[in-house]
Amino acid sequence: ETGVTQTPRHLVMGMTNKKSLKCEQHLGHNAMYWYKQSAKKPLELMFVYSLEERVENNSVPSRFSPECPNSSHLFLHLHTLQPEDSALYLCASSQVAGGPTSYEQYFGPGTRLTVT
Amino acid sequence: AQSVTQLGSHVSVSEGALVLLRCNYSSSVPPYLFWYVQYPNQGLQLLLKYTTGATLVKGINGFEAEFKKSETSFHLTKPSAHMSDAAEYFCAVITFTGGGNKLTFGTGTQLKVEL
Repeated sequence: ETGVTQTPRHLVMGMTNKKSLKCEQHLGHNAMYWYKQSAKKPLELMFVYSLEERVENNSVPSRFSPECPNSSHLFLHLHTLQPEDSALYLCASSQVAGGPTSYEQYFGPGTRLTVT
Repeated sequence: AQSVTQLGSHVSVSEGALVLLRCNYSSSVPPYLFWYVQYPNQGLQLLLKYTTGATLVKGINGFEAEFKKSETSFHLTKPSAHMSDAAEYFCAVITFTGGGNKLTFGTGTQLKVEL
């Protein structure tokens, strides 16, 4: 595997379900991010982890719960979602500082989530 | 707060014509600016970035962008459009948070390339 991978690619869940999105980066980066991409809205940053520590949480509802067990893996745990949470969820990684590619964020293909 | 504005949510060009996608930024500090491209059912791919130094930056697939401080702009251009350029393009500015870095995106411009 190379780059940033996300599983599953598509997910349909009911409002009472619990599911998790997984992201893995194979780039040796030390920061990881969750973004939400909804139709007709700008990409929204949800969470930032740097060196496995959460450094930003952009007022995201508690029904979204991130987890970063190590610098290569990032999860987004979902429970009791609402239909308006249907969107493309994108994971990204970057090197926080140092080197010519610092600050470049590399994105996975996303998980298309539909809440019914 | 830093932000970017993309003028034109949809741009249509003929194959072989010049591509110009507009981005203006607002920043109280020297900005680091990026252009990303998103093809259908895919994530975002970095096209090019401006950090410091040369104001004309070249990216992948023949795209380039020029940082103009006096105009607070970072427009994306390509001399000759190809059908494969049809995609959505996002301009973004980075905010350094002390930990991870926060990208703030524009609303995107959908590029259509016609024969």
